[in-house]
Amino acid sequence: NAGVTQTPKFQVLKTGQSMTLQCAQDMNHNSMYWYRQDPGMGLRLIYYSASEGTTDKGEVPNGYNVSRLNKREFSLRLESAAPSQTSVYFCASRGTLSYEQYFGPGTRLTVT
Amino acid sequence: AQRVTQPEKLLSVFKGAPVELKCNYSYSGSPELFWYVQYSRQRLQLLLRHISRESIKGFTADLNKGETSFHLKKPFAQEEDSAMYYCASGDTGTASKLTFGTGTRLQVTL
Repeated sequence: NAGVTQTPKFQVLKTGQSMTLQCAQDMNHNSMYWYRQDPGMGLRLIYYSASEGTTDKGEVPNGYNVSRLNKREFSLRLESAAPSQTSVYFCASRGTLSYEQYFGPGTRLTVT
Repeated sequence: AQRVTQPEKLLSVFKGAPVELKCNYSYSGSPELFWYVQYSRQRLQLLLRHISRESIKGFTADLNKGETSFHLKKPFAQEEDSAMYYCASGDTGTASKLTFGTGTRLQVTL
């Protein structure tokens, strides 16, 4: 099992460009999450999905959209990237009967 | 809203010395508390959950509801303990969202 996978690993964007970060999990988990990690700020929840077909805002949703394409995949879209969105983005998933969140390897995004 | 505070950004200890990573939380109900760890070039992973009350890699964490604390402790630090440690508080809803602290980098030196 690959667990949680994320693509791409690295990305550089210019201000105003758009892109989608992909996340997939092969553990049959219902819940999926997107976090951003910034120095001195820890991990902050952007969006989450409790189950296929549902999504909800987290702590810092502005400037982002998400799609829960199916049970396996949860994508994060930046419609018009800003330098403030320079960060490391982590996807995570959790099974219904489990308390543990499993994290992907992260995507390092730089917006210039 | 839940809040998790980790007052130290960096904790540097010598190998063999005791370690205590501090965590305080604010939550009006019964909290779900966790410690997650991120070793260099590895994914963030669960280290401890307060309900399990077990010792993982020699680490323990006790929930003190009176002081709203969940400090992580280890009696004798090892070099391989060097990592970033995050305390997290979870709700008990369907999605079980986590609120993370800002993290403490533990540096164990010889």
